[in-house]
Amino acid sequence: DQQVKQNSPSLSVQEGRISILNCDYTNSMFDYFLWYKKYPAEGPTFLISISSIKDKNEDGRFTVFLNKSAKHLSLHIVPSQPGDSAVYFCAANPRGGATNKLIFGTGTLLAVQP
Amino acid sequence: ETGVTQSPTHLIKTRGQQVTLRCSSQSGHNTVSWYQQALGQGPQFIFQYYREEENGRGNFPPRFSGLQFPNYSSELNVNALELDDSALYLCASSPRTSGSNEQFFGPGTRLTVL
Repeated sequence: DQQVKQNSPSLSVQEGRISILNCDYTNSMFDYFLWYKKYPAEGPTFLISISSIKDKNEDGRFTVFLNKSAKHLSLHIVPSQPGDSAVYFCAANPRGGATNKLIFGTGTLLAVQP
Repeated sequence: ETGVTQSPTHLIKTRGQQVTLRCSSQSGHNTVSWYQQALGQGPQFIFQYYREEENGRGNFPPRFSGLQFPNYSSELNVNALELDDSALYLCASSPRTSGSNEQFFGPGTRLTVL
């Protein structure tokens, strides 16, 4: 049962344009949603998070939008840079239970073309 | 500030053997979690340790066990290895009071079971 889904395995974007990565979830009992970026041979790196009580959070070039009625969140990167090329994971933290338990999606490989 | 480190980097074992993976948490972080990332999948939560005790567990059998030491470093032990245990094993640490549930990941240990 995949509670967090990333339906696009890959995305290709031109440098300077906007990258939009999408994520859907099925469980309404998530407290926080997080985005992680992963380069090959490295562990995931935290990018940005959003509380379930908010609908937008912005940090520099990265903005996360949360649509609770649609159980959907998205990460916008603008402008996209070649160094942004990596696998992006959406993750959710269930309410209660282990504080560090994250449920990850399967990831989206972003390629930013120069 | 030293980040999360893991050892070894790579490991090859045969079916039925036992393996121990090690993790040093980031300075000041008292909570450690372990994740398994199979090829093409997102990381899956194995368990979390806080104050040397298991504090939450994912859907993994008892042959996956762990330890946390007074210096907050941790071990993951897997007994009776199976072919499906081949994966990247990620350790993540965080301060207990991480409100956004942000975790800091190590580079992982790549385990191959033959």
